[in-house]
Amino acid sequence: GENVEQHPSTLSVQEGDSAVIKCTYSDSASNYFPWYKQELGKRPQLIIDIRSNVGEKKDQRIAVTLNKTAKHFSLHITETQPEDSAVYFCAASNPGGGNKLTFGTGTQLKVEL
Amino acid sequence: GAGVSQTPSNKVTEKGKYVELRCDPISGHTALYWYRQSLGQGPEFLIYFQGTGAADDSGLPNDRFFAVRPEGSVSTLKIQRTERGDSAVYLCASSLSIDRGSDTQYFGPGTRLTVL
Repeated sequence: GENVEQHPSTLSVQEGDSAVIKCTYSDSASNYFPWYKQELGKRPQLIIDIRSNVGEKKDQRIAVTLNKTAKHFSLHITETQPEDSAVYFCAASNPGGGNKLTFGTGTQLKVEL
Repeated sequence: GAGVSQTPSNKVTEKGKYVELRCDPISGHTALYWYRQSLGQGPEFLIYFQGTGAADDSGLPNDRFFAVRPEGSVSTLKIQRTERGDSAVYLCASSLSIDRGSDTQYFGPGTRLTVL
């Protein structure tokens, strides 16, 4: 089955700096890669996703890049703000598996003033 | 519109008891997923439904766990003879379908299960 690894487990940045979180996956059949933000005690919320037919996607301060050959994808947050502080999870799925998501172990992002 | 809802939000039970956790997906969503999230970990897949049928239950840890979705909308996750190791947040998610472009999964707030 799919295995997703995520790094780093914790990340501390100064407000206004950029943050990068990286994930690798094992199943070459995976073709959908969402990123979820989860605040303490809250539900995971989708912030951005990418499919295997594109290499990069951007939405305002958030971007995701995908390298299918290397089987890794990354989340980039620019101009970080205190409200970006949360746990971020990457995930992967493939249509043959009913789109069930395999999640990484999460990155605790802390944006310091 | 209304998002995915789950009840109860918290459930405390004693070892050996039976519990039911309920999920109300977004109206019209045909796919429904159950995940379990332990402290400090990412959600782990348990089971998913396409309509009324369980299309993949490969993530259920053992036969104490069972889920149903009799009318293709609300789903209930049932845990028999609960054990302390079952303590976790149980998350439900739904998507419009499993087709590309309609497969974004929206999560509910979860049920925090504590087995004493």
